[in-house]
Amino acid sequence: DAGITQSPRHKVTETGTPVTLRCHQTENHRYMYWYRQDPGHGLRLIHYSYGVKDTDKGEVSDGYSVSRSKTEDFLLTLESATSSQTSVYFCATRDTTYSNTGELFFGEGSRLTVL
Amino acid sequence: GNSVTQMEGPVTLSEEAFLTINCTYTATGYPSLFWYVQYPGEGLQLLLKATKADDKGSNKGFEATYRKETTSFHLEKGSVQVSDSAVYFCALRVPNAGKSTFGDGTTLTVKP
Repeated sequence: DAGITQSPRHKVTETGTPVTLRCHQTENHRYMYWYRQDPGHGLRLIHYSYGVKDTDKGEVSDGYSVSRSKTEDFLLTLESATSSQTSVYFCATRDTTYSNTGELFFGEGSRLTVL
Repeated sequence: GNSVTQMEGPVTLSEEAFLTINCTYTATGYPSLFWYVQYPGEGLQLLLKATKADDKGSNKGFEATYRKETTSFHLEKGSVQVSDSAVYFCALRVPNAGKSTFGDGTTLTVKP
C-alpha cells in the first residue's frame, strides 16, 4: 500500500476561518489529488497535481486552493471556510512510473466540520 | 465527456446471496476500468481493474469483465458475506488523462 497520511483527521472550525489540510505520501507518486465526499454526490475532484508546482482544477475548485512544493506533500487550503465545505476530504495518489493505467491510492480521509 | 453510471443503491442482501452491481460508461478512447471499495470509516481502495476489452478483473471473490460492446463493467460475487458491506465505486481513466471519472457509489449491506 502507498503510504498516504492525511492531517488532521478531524477538524471543527468556524465560518470564515482559514483551514489547511495536508496530504503526505512516501511512495514518490507523481500525481496527487484532493476529493470531497458528500452524501448523494459521490466523490468530487477539487484539485490535482501532476508534479511539483504543477496543479490543475477539478470540478468543484471554487473556494479552494492547493500547493505542492515537494513531491511528497500536497496541501489543500480553504481561505475562508463556509458551512457548505463541511465534508470528508480524501487525498489520493497515482503512480505513472511503470504503467499508464494505474489505480489511485487513497488516504483515510479528513472530516471537516464548519460551524 | 467521460461518465460512469452505477446502479442506484442502497442494495441489501442476505448472506450467501448473489451480487451484481451494474456499471456502464461513456468515454473517449479506450479507458481502463476500476472498481473501488470503501469500508465504513475508511478511504477507498482498489478492488479490481481491467485495462482492455474482454479482460476480467478479480479479487476476493469479486469479478468484473470489461465489455466494450455494451460499455459495461458489472461487478459480481457469487456469495456475499457480512464483511462485504461497503460502498462500491466504479471508475474509469482514459490513457494519458490526469483525472479519473467516478460513479456515484453503491452502498451494499449484507445481513446475516
